[in-house]
Amino acid sequence: EAGVAQSPRYKIIEKRQSVAFWCNPISGHATLYWYQQILGQGPKLLIQFQNNGVVDDSQLPKDRFSAERLKGVDSTLKIQPAKLEDSAVYLCASSLAVGWNEQFFGPGTRLTVL
Amino acid sequence: GENVEQHPSTLSVQEGDSAVIKCTYSDSASNYFPWYKQELGKGPQLIIDIRSNVGEKKDQRIAVTLNKTAKHFSLHITETQPEDSAVYFCAASRGEKLTFGTGTRLTIIP
Repeated sequence: EAGVAQSPRYKIIEKRQSVAFWCNPISGHATLYWYQQILGQGPKLLIQFQNNGVVDDSQLPKDRFSAERLKGVDSTLKIQPAKLEDSAVYLCASSLAVGWNEQFFGPGTRLTVL
Repeated sequence: GENVEQHPSTLSVQEGDSAVIKCTYSDSASNYFPWYKQELGKGPQLIIDIRSNVGEKKDQRIAVTLNKTAKHFSLHITETQPEDSAVYFCAASRGEKLTFGTGTRLTIIP
């Protein structure tokens, strides 16, 4: 079965610019996660969706980050305006359903903010 | 919230030897403990997991042990091979929210 797809794989922008990332989860997976992974650290959860509803966005910097999953399948994560400290890999993961622990990760998008 | 500590941060072992990575967690209500392998330029890949009602789980050369009383769990890789070189992350969760450790860079020396 196809895994979690993400695009773009790499993005370089200047500070104060905006950027968007796209994720397509494994077919049939109801739960979708966005993580931020700063170099040398473990992934940190930004937001969790169950179908098209937000379950947990307590760690999302809402003044500059936004995410949506309008039809309960694909999702986009946006940063506007970007700061230098947003340089990281943004990982998307999916799992079958709420209460299903196993999460499967995509390859990530490496963002560099100059 | 949950806090997960992972040691060591780097580990080098001779090919064929065993490698052990250890993690401790703070939330006694955590009940799911996965281990992920991350190769350069790729996302984390689930390699093994254990739930709080089990003390040990094995899958070929990989095993995980859990000590709920001490709140620590470990990954054991036996007969290491060059393809085992990667960064390994432990994680803990109560429900779906995973809290990750800081990672261990494992290098297998041929």
